[in-house]
Amino acid sequence: KAGVTQTPRYLIKTRGQQVTLSCSPISGHRSVSWYQQTPGQGLQFLFEYFSETQRNKGNFPGRFSGRQFSNSRSEMNVSTLELGDSALYLCDSGQGTVATNEKLFFGSGTQLSVL
Amino acid sequence: GNSVTQMEGPVTLSEEAFLTINCTYTATGYPSLFWYVQYPGEGLQLLLKATKADDKGSNKGFEATYRKETTSFHLEKGSVQVSDSAVYFCALRMSETSGSRLTFGEGTQLTVNP
Repeated sequence: KAGVTQTPRYLIKTRGQQVTLSCSPISGHRSVSWYQQTPGQGLQFLFEYFSETQRNKGNFPGRFSGRQFSNSRSEMNVSTLELGDSALYLCDSGQGTVATNEKLFFGSGTQLSVL
Repeated sequence: GNSVTQMEGPVTLSEEAFLTINCTYTATGYPSLFWYVQYPGEGLQLLLKATKADDKGSNKGFEATYRKETTSFHLEKGSVQVSDSAVYFCALRMSETSGSRLTFGEGTQLTVNP
């Protein structure tokens, strides 16, 4: 069974540009969540998508957006990039149930550098 | 809101030493608790979990017990190996109200020397 796939693995952008990151969940999983990891702020929740609908949203500005397709693949977009957006962006996938013992699987992340 | 606090790191131990990484949480309700591990250049891997009070999660020699009375979920291992060197994250999830959203602690860098 293939794991969670995030592409690209590394990305370098300049301030003001926009970027799109992709996350392909494990086959059969319908939930995808995104997290931003930085040395200063740690792991912070961005949003969760389930069956093409945003189910939860963290405290990030509107420059951060996402969507989920019918095949459960998800993309997140960051517009008007700032230096502080440099981070490792991780996604996880799950079946999306509210079961307390649901197991979530993480991808290896996309390392974004904003110059 | 919900939050997780881990002991300040980093932690450096010699091989075969005993490991404890403290984790306490604040939550409105009854969360599920997790320990994740992150090796250099990789994503997070679930190490162990506990879903209700007094549950003990265990995996690869690591253990943690869900203590509702002290709101804690401390990670322990009796004898660490060099291969255990990684960053460890404590996390909680309130599935009924927040779906799959995880709230993480700050992370603790563990280095094990031979």
